Amino acid sequence: EVQLVESGGGLVQPGGSLRLSCAASGFTFSDHYMDWVRQAPGKGLEWVGRTRNKANSYTTEYAASVKGRFTISRDDSKNSLYLQMNSLKTEDTAVYYCARGPYDSSGYYPYWGQGTLVTVSS
Amino acid sequence: DIQMTQSPSSLSASVGDRVTITCRASQGISNYLAWYQQKPGKVPKLLIYAASTLQSGVPSRFSGSGSGTDFTLTISSLQPEDVATYYCQKYNSAPITFGQGTRLEIK
Repeated sequence: EVQLVESGGGLVQPGGSLRLSCAASGFTFSDHYMDWVRQAPGKGLEWVGRTRNKANSYTTEYAASVKGRFTISRDDSKNSLYLQMNSLKTEDTAVYYCARGPYDSSGYYPYWGQGTLVTVSS
Repeated sequence: DIQMTQSPSSLSASVGDRVTITCRASQGISNYLAWYQQKPGKVPKLLIYAASTLQSGVPSRFSGSGSGTDFTLTISSLQPEDVATYYCQKYNSAPITFGQGTRLEIK
């Protein structure tokens, strides 16, 4: 069974940093692209970014709203995905989900974690 | 970037009604379109992918259609448990984009 478990959320001041983790199990993590999606309180879903697999050189892509501030990485040996968030803004307050497609490179998401809440506030 | 626009933003219908939600892409995306259902406090659930393919385990009252720029999600007979917010998503290439959501309530 595919499982994705996020951690690392919490309260951080504007301008601060936070690192989220997503622990994966139940599938061959190294084969898959992995994405981060967020949802601000009471708002819709927003794609944050993606890391591709080793076969595609672990390349990453980001939403314009986070490019240059957020970095997605992965450690295939630990079956883990990470989101390093720097220069945080109040508008980054959201539940952050890691998500996976049905096969290695698909962009729709049958699999989601339960989410971790990030609150950016002074 | 391709924008996804859903209509209506909210909808109220009676149990047993046929409900249709529309999603329009600002550029053609072939059939790279998915629909999700999200109930309050829950994780989004994939309903349909490739515009019209029903995800395993999803009730057959849900269906999707469309290609190019115009897509629809239809619930053939609304049930109380279908109260949720529905999102479309285009996934042909990055950046992935979601529609703004349609909140569905029971009248």
